[in-house]
Amino acid sequence: SAVISQKPSRDICQRGTSLTIQCQVDSQVTMMFWYRQQPGQSLTLIATANQGSEATYESGFVIDKFPISRPNLTFSTLTVSNMSPEDSSIYLCSLGSPNTEAFFGQGTRLTVV
Amino acid sequence: GENVEQHPSTLSVQEGDSAVIKCTYSDSASNYFPWYKQELGKGPQLIIDIRSNVGEKKDQRIAVTLNKTAKHFSLHITETQPEDSAVYFCAARATGGGNKLTFGTGTQLKVEL
Repeated sequence: SAVISQKPSRDICQRGTSLTIQCQVDSQVTMMFWYRQQPGQSLTLIATANQGSEATYESGFVIDKFPISRPNLTFSTLTVSNMSPEDSSIYLCSLGSPNTEAFFGQGTRLTVV
Repeated sequence: GENVEQHPSTLSVQEGDSAVIKCTYSDSASNYFPWYKQELGKGPQLIIDIRSNVGEKKDQRIAVTLNKTAKHFSLHITETQPEDSAVYFCAARATGGGNKLTFGTGTQLKVEL
Protein backbone atom coordinates (compact mmCIF):
# COMPACT_ATOMS: atom_id res chain seq x y z
CA SER A 1 0.00 0.00 0.00
CA ALA A 2 1.04 3.61 -0.58
CA VAL A 3 2.70 5.54 2.22
CA ILE A 4 1.20 8.95 2.92
CA SER A 5 3.15 11.60 4.83
CA GLN A 6 1.35 14.64 6.13
CA LYS A 7 2.96 17.76 7.59
CA PRO A 8 2.62 19.26 10.08
CA SER A 9 1.12 16.63 12.37
CA ARG A 10 -0.31 19.32 14.61
CA ASP A 11 -0.25 23.07 15.00
CA ILE A 12 -1.69 25.81 17.15
CA CYS A 13 -2.43 28.98 15.18
CA GLN A 14 -3.68 32.46 15.86
CA ARG A 15 -7.02 33.47 14.43
CA GLY A 16 -6.77 35.41 11.20
CA THR A 17 -3.65 33.57 10.03
CA SER A 18 -3.30 30.81 7.44
CA LEU A 19 -1.78 27.34 7.59
CA THR A 20 -0.62 25.19 4.69
CA ILE A 21 -0.74 21.43 5.12
CA GLN A 22 1.35 19.18 2.91
CA CYS A 23 0.57 15.66 1.73
CA GLN A 24 3.30 13.57 0.12
CA VAL A 25 2.78 10.08 -1.31
CA ASP A 26 5.56 7.62 -2.07
CA SER A 27 4.07 6.66 -5.44
CA GLN A 28 2.06 8.30 -8.18
CA VAL A 29 -1.66 8.27 -7.50
CA THR A 30 -4.52 9.30 -9.70
CA MET A 31 -6.81 10.80 -7.10
CA MET A 32 -6.14 12.70 -3.90
CA PHE A 33 -8.73 14.08 -1.53
CA TRP A 34 -8.82 16.38 1.46
CA TYR A 35 -11.16 15.70 4.39
CA ARG A 36 -12.01 17.55 7.58
CA GLN A 37 -12.89 15.87 10.86
CA GLN A 38 -14.34 18.23 13.43
CA PRO A 39 -13.97 17.29 17.11
CA GLY A 40 -15.93 14.13 17.89
CA GLN A 41 -17.39 13.99 14.39
CA SER A 42 -17.10 11.92 11.26
CA LEU A 43 -15.10 12.81 8.17
CA THR A 44 -16.37 15.29 5.60
CA LEU A 45 -14.90 15.71 2.15
CA ILE A 46 -13.57 19.21 1.45
CA ALA A 47 -12.41 18.75 -2.12
CA THR A 48 -10.81 16.54 -4.72
CA ALA A 49 -7.30 17.68 -5.61
CA ASN A 50 -6.91 17.52 -9.37
CA GLN A 51 -3.46 17.34 -10.89
CA GLY A 52 -2.78 20.32 -13.10
CA SER A 53 -6.18 21.95 -12.67
CA GLU A 54 -8.38 23.57 -10.06
CA ALA A 55 -9.67 21.44 -7.22
CA THR A 56 -13.29 20.28 -7.13
CA TYR A 57 -14.96 21.53 -3.97
CA GLU A 58 -17.88 20.02 -2.10
CA SER A 59 -20.91 21.98 -1.06
CA GLY A 60 -20.07 24.28 1.82
CA PHE A 61 -16.38 24.59 1.00
CA VAL A 62 -14.89 27.34 -1.15
CA ILE A 63 -11.55 27.94 -2.79
CA ASP A 64 -10.93 31.25 -1.05
CA LYS A 65 -11.09 29.55 2.34
CA PHE A 66 -9.41 26.26 1.40
CA PRO A 67 -7.08 26.76 -1.56
CA ILE A 68 -5.58 23.49 -2.79
CA SER A 69 -2.63 22.80 -5.01
CA ARG A 70 -1.59 19.60 -6.73
CA PRO A 71 1.47 20.22 -8.85
CA ASN A 72 2.15 16.52 -9.57
CA LEU A 73 0.85 13.00 -8.92
CA THR A 74 2.62 12.58 -5.58
CA PHE A 75 2.05 15.87 -3.75
CA SER A 76 -0.76 18.18 -2.69
CA THR A 77 -1.26 21.06 -0.27
CA LEU A 78 -4.32 22.37 1.53
CA THR A 79 -4.32 25.88 2.98
CA VAL A 80 -6.74 26.89 5.70
CA SER A 81 -7.09 30.65 5.28
CA ASN A 82 -8.08 33.42 7.65
CA MET A 83 -8.60 30.92 10.42
CA SER A 84 -11.16 31.13 13.20
CA PRO A 85 -11.68 28.81 16.19
CA GLU A 86 -14.37 27.01 14.18
CA ASP A 87 -11.63 25.74 11.88
CA SER A 88 -10.11 23.70 14.70
CA SER A 89 -10.26 20.18 13.30
CA ILE A 90 -8.21 17.30 12.00
CA TYR A 91 -7.41 17.69 8.31
CA LEU A 92 -6.67 14.52 6.39
CA CYS A 93 -5.48 13.71 2.92
CA SER A 94 -6.55 10.51 1.24
CA LEU A 95 -5.92 8.50 -1.87
CA GLY A 96 -8.51 6.71 -3.95
CA SER A 97 -8.99 5.34 -7.42
CA PRO A 98 -11.63 2.98 -8.79
CA ASN A 99 -9.49 -0.11 -8.37
CA THR A 100 -7.49 0.79 -5.27
CA GLU A 101 -8.09 0.95 -1.58
CA ALA A 102 -8.76 4.28 0.08
CA PHE A 103 -5.95 5.15 2.48
CA PHE A 104 -5.52 8.12 4.77
CA GLY A 105 -2.57 10.01 6.13
CA GLN A 106 -2.16 10.48 9.87
CA GLY A 107 -3.80 13.87 9.71
CA THR A 108 -3.01 17.39 10.86
CA ARG A 109 -4.55 18.38 14.16
CA LEU A 110 -5.23 22.11 13.98
CA THR A 111 -6.15 24.27 16.95
CA VAL A 112 -7.04 27.91 16.34
CA VAL A 113 -6.85 30.24 19.32
CA GLY B 1 -25.87 12.24 -3.16
CA GLU B 2 -24.87 9.26 -1.07
CA ASN B 3 -26.02 8.96 2.52
CA VAL B 4 -24.52 6.46 4.94
CA GLU B 5 -26.09 5.64 8.29
CA GLN B 6 -24.20 3.77 10.99
CA HIS B 7 -25.42 2.03 14.15
CA PRO B 8 -24.86 1.84 17.03
CA SER B 9 -23.06 5.05 17.98
CA THR B 10 -21.54 3.36 21.03
CA LEU B 11 -20.97 -0.32 21.72
CA SER B 12 -19.61 -1.90 24.85
CA VAL B 13 -18.69 -5.61 24.91
CA GLN B 14 -16.84 -7.95 27.21
CA GLU B 15 -13.45 -9.18 26.14
CA GLY B 16 -13.83 -12.31 24.04
CA ASP B 17 -17.35 -11.46 22.88
CA SER B 18 -18.27 -10.49 19.33
CA ALA B 19 -19.09 -6.98 18.12
CA VAL B 20 -21.25 -6.08 15.16
CA ILE B 21 -21.56 -2.64 13.59
CA LYS B 22 -24.11 -2.00 10.85
CA CYS B 23 -24.29 0.54 8.04
CA THR B 24 -26.82 1.32 5.35
CA TYR B 25 -26.28 3.32 2.19
CA SER B 26 -28.60 5.04 -0.23
CA ASP B 27 -26.82 5.14 -3.61
CA SER B 28 -27.23 1.90 -5.54
CA ALA B 29 -24.20 2.89 -7.63
CA SER B 30 -21.88 2.51 -4.61
CA ASN B 31 -19.54 -0.42 -5.17
CA TYR B 32 -16.75 -0.10 -2.61
CA PHE B 33 -17.26 -0.28 1.15
CA PRO B 34 -14.26 0.22 3.44
CA TRP B 35 -14.12 0.11 7.21
CA TYR B 36 -11.73 2.24 9.24
CA LYS B 37 -10.47 2.07 12.79
CA GLN B 38 -9.45 5.35 14.37
CA GLU B 39 -7.55 5.47 17.61
CA LEU B 40 -7.23 8.64 19.62
CA GLY B 41 -4.92 11.15 17.97
CA LYS B 42 -4.45 9.09 14.82
CA GLY B 43 -5.76 9.05 11.29
CA PRO B 44 -8.29 6.44 10.13
CA GLN B 45 -6.70 3.06 9.45
CA LEU B 46 -8.23 0.88 6.76
CA ILE B 47 -8.94 -2.50 8.38
CA ILE B 48 -11.04 -4.26 5.77
CA ASP B 49 -13.02 -3.46 2.67
CA ILE B 50 -15.45 -5.17 0.35
CA ARG B 51 -16.50 -4.61 -3.22
CA SER B 52 -19.96 -5.06 -4.58
CA ASN B 53 -19.16 -8.27 -6.46
CA VAL B 54 -18.75 -10.28 -3.22
CA GLY B 55 -21.03 -10.86 -0.26
CA GLU B 56 -18.50 -11.53 2.49
CA LYS B 57 -14.85 -11.05 3.25
CA LYS B 58 -12.81 -12.24 6.22
CA ASP B 59 -9.44 -11.33 7.64
CA GLN B 60 -8.62 -13.21 10.82
CA ARG B 61 -10.97 -11.90 13.52
CA ILE B 62 -12.60 -9.33 11.26
CA ALA B 63 -15.28 -9.93 8.65
CA VAL B 64 -17.51 -7.72 6.54
CA THR B 65 -20.79 -8.73 4.93
CA LEU B 66 -22.62 -6.92 2.15
CA ASN B 67 -26.26 -7.15 1.12
CA LYS B 68 -26.62 -5.14 -2.08
CA THR B 69 -30.36 -5.70 -2.33
CA ALA B 70 -30.98 -4.23 1.09
CA LYS B 71 -28.11 -1.73 0.74
CA HIS B 72 -26.49 -2.58 4.01
CA PHE B 73 -23.13 -3.86 5.14
CA SER B 74 -21.80 -4.91 8.51
CA LEU B 75 -18.51 -5.26 10.35
CA HIS B 76 -18.07 -8.30 12.57
CA ILE B 77 -15.25 -8.56 15.10
CA THR B 78 -14.90 -11.86 16.91
CA GLU B 79 -12.96 -12.64 20.09
CA THR B 80 -12.68 -8.96 20.90
CA GLN B 81 -9.61 -7.71 22.73
CA PRO B 82 -8.98 -4.46 24.64
CA GLU B 83 -6.86 -3.17 21.76
CA ASP B 84 -9.95 -3.32 19.54
CA SER B 85 -11.29 -0.35 21.51
CA ALA B 86 -11.49 2.59 19.09
CA VAL B 87 -13.89 4.49 16.87
CA TYR B 88 -14.95 2.57 13.76
CA PHE B 89 -16.21 4.25 10.61
CA CYS B 90 -17.91 2.70 7.62
CA ALA B 91 -17.86 4.39 4.22
CA ALA B 92 -19.23 3.96 0.73
CA ARG B 93 -17.86 4.95 -2.62
CA ALA B 94 -19.28 4.98 -6.15
CA THR B 95 -16.96 4.96 -9.14
CA GLY B 96 -19.22 7.32 -11.01
CA GLY B 97 -19.37 9.73 -8.10
CA GLY B 98 -15.82 10.96 -8.44
CA ASN B 99 -14.54 8.16 -6.20
CA LYS B 100 -15.46 10.16 -3.13
CA LEU B 101 -15.98 8.41 0.16
CA THR B 102 -19.11 9.13 2.18
CA PHE B 103 -18.70 8.21 5.82
CA GLY B 104 -21.01 6.95 8.50
CA THR B 105 -21.15 8.77 11.81
CA GLY B 106 -18.87 6.37 13.64
CA THR B 107 -19.16 3.78 16.41
CA GLN B 108 -17.23 4.06 19.66
CA LEU B 109 -16.34 0.47 20.58
CA LYS B 110 -15.22 -0.26 24.10
CA VAL B 111 -13.95 -3.71 24.99
CA GLU B 112 -14.09 -4.25 28.73
CA LEU B 113 -11.96 -6.67 30.67
